[in-house]
Amino acid sequence: AQSVSQHNHHVILSEAASLELGCNYSYGGTVNLFWYVQYPGQHLQLLLKYFSGDPLVKGIKGFEAEFIKSKFSFNLRKPSVQWSDTAEYFCAVNAPGSSNTGKLIFGQGTTLQVKP
Amino acid sequence: EPEVTQTPSHQVTQMGQEVILRCVPISNHLYFYWYRQILGQKVEFLVSFYNNEISEKSEIFDDQFSVERPDGSNFTLKIRSTKLEDSAMYFCASREERGRADTQYFGPGTRLTVL
Repeated sequence: AQSVSQHNHHVILSEAASLELGCNYSYGGTVNLFWYVQYPGQHLQLLLKYFSGDPLVKGIKGFEAEFIKSKFSFNLRKPSVQWSDTAEYFCAVNAPGSSNTGKLIFGQGTTLQVKP
Repeated sequence: EPEVTQTPSHQVTQMGQEVILRCVPISNHLYFYWYRQILGQKVEFLVSFYNNEISEKSEIFDDQFSVERPDGSNFTLKIRSTKLEDSAMYFCASREERGRADTQYFGPGTRLTVL
């Protein structure tokens, strides 16, 4: 079965520190990969996505992620975090196939707390 | 910017009661989804809906659950006889039919508490 693992459950950083959140998936075929963010009291919003082409994708608010097919990974990065980045981050996978309906399989989420 | 909306934001019910969670997807979207997140756990897929029928459902989505698009704008999730373990945040999502990599837009969620 497809699964998504996020290694860090709770990350605490100071402002201006660099961020890397790990995400690994188990599906062996072609995948589409997503990072969603949920700010306190708000709904899930798309940060970035990968479906083909350049494995380094850039998203909103200075975030980027790198797809490494050989490692089944799609880690999220930001060179310098801000207090406003405090949120929960979810990695998700959609595995295209002949019967695919677009459903997303989510990781368990990582809570990022940025200290001012 | 168009948004997915959900009502109510919080629903409290007694075990065994029926609940209906409502969603208004983005107007030109054609694929609709329900997900849920039990406190402290992953966001889990429940069901996808396209062309007025269920296109895929998870093991969680048993006979107690049903979905409907009654009037061309609302998309509802009904739980016929709620159980304590149905307590969760329920998210609705929608997307256009441009391709499978297309973005799903999520609503703010309905927190269901079953007592």
